[in-house]
Amino acid sequence: DSGVTQTPKHLITATGQRVTLRCSPRSGDLSVYWYQQSLDQGLQFLIQYYNGEERAKGNILERFSAQQFPDLHSELNLSSLELGDSALYFCASSVGSRHGYTFGSGTRLTVV
Amino acid sequence: GQNIDQPTEMTATEGAIVQINCTYQTSGFNGLFWYQQHAGEAPTFLSYNVLDGLEEKGRFSSFLSRSKGYSYLLLKELQMKDSASYLCAVRDPGRRADSWGKLQFGAGTQVVVTP
Repeated sequence: DSGVTQTPKHLITATGQRVTLRCSPRSGDLSVYWYQQSLDQGLQFLIQYYNGEERAKGNILERFSAQQFPDLHSELNLSSLELGDSALYFCASSVGSRHGYTFGSGTRLTVV
Repeated sequence: GQNIDQPTEMTATEGAIVQINCTYQTSGFNGLFWYQQHAGEAPTFLSYNVLDGLEEKGRFSSFLSRSKGYSYLLLKELQMKDSASYLCAVRDPGRRADSWGKLQFGAGTQVVVTP
């Protein structure tokens, strides 16, 4: 157990639907980073939050949004889902140690 | 932006040594990380370099040359369980001093260890 908790582990939904992915960072970590990993592709950075504030944005679609709550957990909202959104979505947290970023086990999203 | 290149796949025999190269071109740099990822699982941290030189950690070593934009990960005494994807990642400087920037990942190098 890495200490970063992601739920749900698996999600199957239909095109056009909306889903919410949840991430709880390691205790004490203030930063949360969301990544998308499509089949046979690398990890693509989506968005970063630090202590409730958005700090950096990557190639995140307008249909996607995220937020970080006062208890530091974060949610990634994906709407108007398309088949191409099927991927593994990882959350990582960091407190700034030289050991970098700790990843959660991911949510596997399948859009049918 | 950043461009991070690493080979797609490498094959080696159990007990051998494999070197995975990573070259990067970045607008900012605040450290280079190597992660291991088994299929369908989360990436796990292997090594971190921010200064030039070699960092050794058991069977794994990582080297960095900032002037050349180059790093490598050396895996020694390969074991079957080392078959995985190895990801090179460069950290952006954070926009503010109170938080680390994001990691930008290469596409990963699939290492296949054969008996």
